[in-house]
Amino acid sequence: QKEVEQDPGPLSVPEGAIVSLNCTYSNSAFQYFMWYRQYSRKGPELLMYTYSSGNKEDGRFTAQVDKSSKYISLFIRDSQPSDSATYLCAMSDPFYSGNTPLVFGKGTRLSVIA
Amino acid sequence: GAVVSQHPSWVICKSGTSVKIECRSLDFQATTMFWYRQFPKQSLMLMATSNEGSKATYEQGVEKDKFLINHASLTLSTLTVTSAHPEDSSFYICSAISGGSSYNEQFFGPGTRLTVL
Repeated sequence: QKEVEQDPGPLSVPEGAIVSLNCTYSNSAFQYFMWYRQYSRKGPELLMYTYSSGNKEDGRFTAQVDKSSKYISLFIRDSQPSDSATYLCAMSDPFYSGNTPLVFGKGTRLSVIA
Repeated sequence: GAVVSQHPSWVICKSGTSVKIECRSLDFQATTMFWYRQFPKQSLMLMATSNEGSKATYEQGVEKDKFLINHASLTLSTLTVTSAHPEDSSFYICSAISGGSSYNEQFFGPGTRLTVL
């Protein structure tokens, strides 16, 4: 079993829809949970991060972490064509020796159709 | 936010040649940089962790003699793909830790697309 599982999609939604992106993980030591957005042929950029369990909201984006279920989600409200990208979840164990390399999911390709 | 640049953004080379990719932190000092490889429709795979002034730590399965990493200063790390072959064609991305966040946020470069003919 891979450490982080993420459905690669692709996921196509109409403009204005609510998008739900999810990842599951197996390592209970993960404490930091991040969502990155990667446009085609570009490096990933951090959208949001959450420490431990709970919700975090930033504009149209909401990140949720359920550590009991080892399940994290990213919700995008009022999705726009400019949201079309690959979304990668990433996690880290703060007690990992060294400088906490991130473990990434495969990424979900999202297309928002105007 | 912190900015990381990579050069070149894309490169095409003949099989058997060596290619050097530079990763720079433009507005912060990065004691640690990471090198990733990403194949089409795949996730980022960590290749190595690069610490300034010391030897890089390679992930299992990554040939250290083929992928030479040098982290000579706090703002520059280089990845040299030696004797490149078509199977080395990929998207190479570096990231750097600024040290300013509690969880050591990684800032990613824009990536370098390598095509080996």
